[in-house]
Amino acid sequence: QKEVEQNSGPLSVPEGAIASLNCTYSDRGSQSFFWYRQYSGKSPELIMSIYSNGDKEDGRFTAQLNKASQYVSLLIRDSQPSDSATYLCAVRQGGSYIPTFGRGTSLIVHP
Amino acid sequence: DAGITQSPRHKVTETGTPVTLRCHQTENHRYMYWYRQDPGHGLRLIHYSYGVKDTDKGEVSDGYSVSRSKTEDFLLTLESATSSQTSVYFCAISETSGTEPTGELFFGEGSRLTVL
Repeated sequence: QKEVEQNSGPLSVPEGAIASLNCTYSDRGSQSFFWYRQYSGKSPELIMSIYSNGDKEDGRFTAQLNKASQYVSLLIRDSQPSDSATYLCAVRQGGSYIPTFGRGTSLIVHP
Repeated sequence: DAGITQSPRHKVTETGTPVTLRCHQTENHRYMYWYRQDPGHGLRLIHYSYGVKDTDKGEVSDGYSVSRSKTEDFLLTLESATSSQTSVYFCAISETSGTEPTGELFFGEGSRLTVL
C-alpha cells in the first residue's frame, strides 16, 4: 500500500522564521510530488509541484526532493501569520491517475 | 480558477436516505475525483473518472457510487446514508499533460454532509 507520511504537528514558528515541513513516501516508483495548503474550513490549494531531484523555488516557497531517501520537503521563508494553515503532501506514481495524500502538517506562525 | 462548483455545499440528512452530491466543471477536464476528508484521516479517494462513463474505485468506495454521463458533471451518490459517511466531500480535477493527468489537482469548495 502506498503511504505518504507527515508529522501532524502543530509546527509553531515565529513570524519571519523559516518553516520546514517534511514528507516521506513509501513507493519508489513515485514520480510527481505536490504541496497543498489548506486553510481551516477551506479546500486544498496547490502551491508547489516538483518532479525531479533537487530544489524548486517559487517566491518564499522552496520544495526539495530527494528520491533516494524518499522524502520531499517544503520550506517557507519569512513566515507570515497568513501562512498558518495545514500543508498537505501528495505523491503520484508514474502511470497512475491518482495522487495519494498525507494527513497534513498544521503550521502556526505566531507574531 | 478551475471553474469547479459543488452542490449542495451543506446538507443534513437522516440515516438510510439517498444523497447525491454534484460536481460541475466548465473547462472540459477529463480527470475528476471525489475525496472525503475526515479528522485524523486526511484526504481519501472515493472514486475517480477518466472520461465520460469511465470511472473506477478509490480506497474508500464502499457505500458510494458515481456517474459521469457528460464531461462537465461528476455525481457522487450515497445510496443509503450512514452516520460514518458524515464528512466533508471534495471534488477535484487534474490538469493534463497531453492526455495524461499531471496529478496537479484543483478542488471545489467542498460539500459538508451530516448524517443523523
